[in-house]
This record gives sequence, structure tokens and C-alpha cells, in this order.
Amino acid sequence: AQRVTQPEKLLSVFKGAPVELKCNYSYSGSPELFWYVQYSRQRLQLLLRHISRESIKGFTADLNKGETSFHLKKPFAQEEDSAMYYCALSGSNNDMRFGAGTRLTVKP
Amino acid sequence: ETGVTQSPTHLIKTRGQQVTLRCSSQSGHNTVSWYQQALGQGPQFIFQYYREEENGRGNFPPRFSGLQFPNYSSELNVNALELDDSALYLCASSLSGREAFFGQGTRLTVV
Repeated sequence: AQRVTQPEKLLSVFKGAPVELKCNYSYSGSPELFWYVQYSRQRLQLLLRHISRESIKGFTADLNKGETSFHLKKPFAQEEDSAMYYCALSGSNNDMRFGAGTRLTVKP
Repeated sequence: ETGVTQSPTHLIKTRGQQVTLRCSSQSGHNTVSWYQQALGQGPQFIFQYYREEENGRGNFPPRFSGLQFPNYSSELNVNALELDDSALYLCASSLSGREAFFGQGTRLTVV
């Protein structure tokens, strides 16, 4: 079964602290994994995808096939990072499976 | 270049009725996907259309159906509405499965 789990519904850190948003998945093939972000009053938008292996807004995410994880990390959180973050998996039948999301709050 | 637009933004329907939601894809995009997002949940994949053909479907009953038109705009139709169909419906367009751009959503309330 194709499943994405984000164990934390809420995550709160102070500005300048490291942040890690957890994502675990189950999939019996080679998945394509994504992180989407939704800032307040804005639409859902792509943050990064694992095949790009790039850093966006200081965020990185590494696909760990052994642990079936795709955690999102940033070494120094900023207040403007406060948003809803969704991990998503795309399988072979073109469907995109989203996790329930983690609301990140960065406190001043 | 225009973004993905959805209409209407809000809608109230009675149980048992039918509803049609519309999505205008971003210019140049040939793929559209529809999602249902219940309160406090992540988006759930309903189906995807590529060049006017259904190209993938999630775990939704047949009363959820769709269309994609030659200009790549799309409709989501839901028949025999149930109370649990109340949700935010999101449309996303992309060019052949590359980065998906989301619309602002249609909030459907079934009473």
C-alpha cells in the first residue's frame, strides 16, 4: 500500500534553531517524493522534490530508502518559514499521496 | 502566463444533489489532477487527466467523475452528494507530470 506518514501535526521552534519535519513512507517500488508548503492565505506550492537534490529557501531533504524516510531539514529556522508542510509521494499510477501535514511555527 | 483558477470559490449544496466544479489550467499545461482535502487532512488524490483521458484514479467511488477539454481546462462532477463530501477541492495542473501548480480551491459544503 502507498502511504505517507507525518507523525507531527504541530511543530514549534525558536528563530535560529534547527528544524526537522519528519516524513515516512511505504511504497513497494521506486517512489518520487516531494515536499509542498502552504503559507497563510496562499495556495499549496512545491517546495522541493527528491530527484532535484537541491536546497530551496535553505531547506533540504534526503531520501533514505533504508528507513523509508524523507525528512525536511533546515539548520536555522526563520519566522517566514511558519507554514503548513506536506510530504507527498508519487507512484507508478500517477497518483500523488499526501501526508496529513505538519504545521510549523517559528517563534521570534 | 496565468495561474490555475478554480470556480466557484464557495458552494453550498443539499445532500443528494449534483455539483460541477471547474478548473482552468495554467497556460501550456496538459495534465490536471483533482484532490479532496477534508478539514485537518492532507489532500487526497481523486483522479488525473492527461490530454483529455483519465490517467490515474484514487480510491473514490464512480459518482466522482471528470472531464478535460481540448483547451485542457477541467471539470469535477460529483453525483448524489453526501454530507462527507464537504471539503476543499483542489485542482493542480502540470506539463506532462512535472511540477504541479495548485489552484486556490473550491470549498464545498453539503447540508
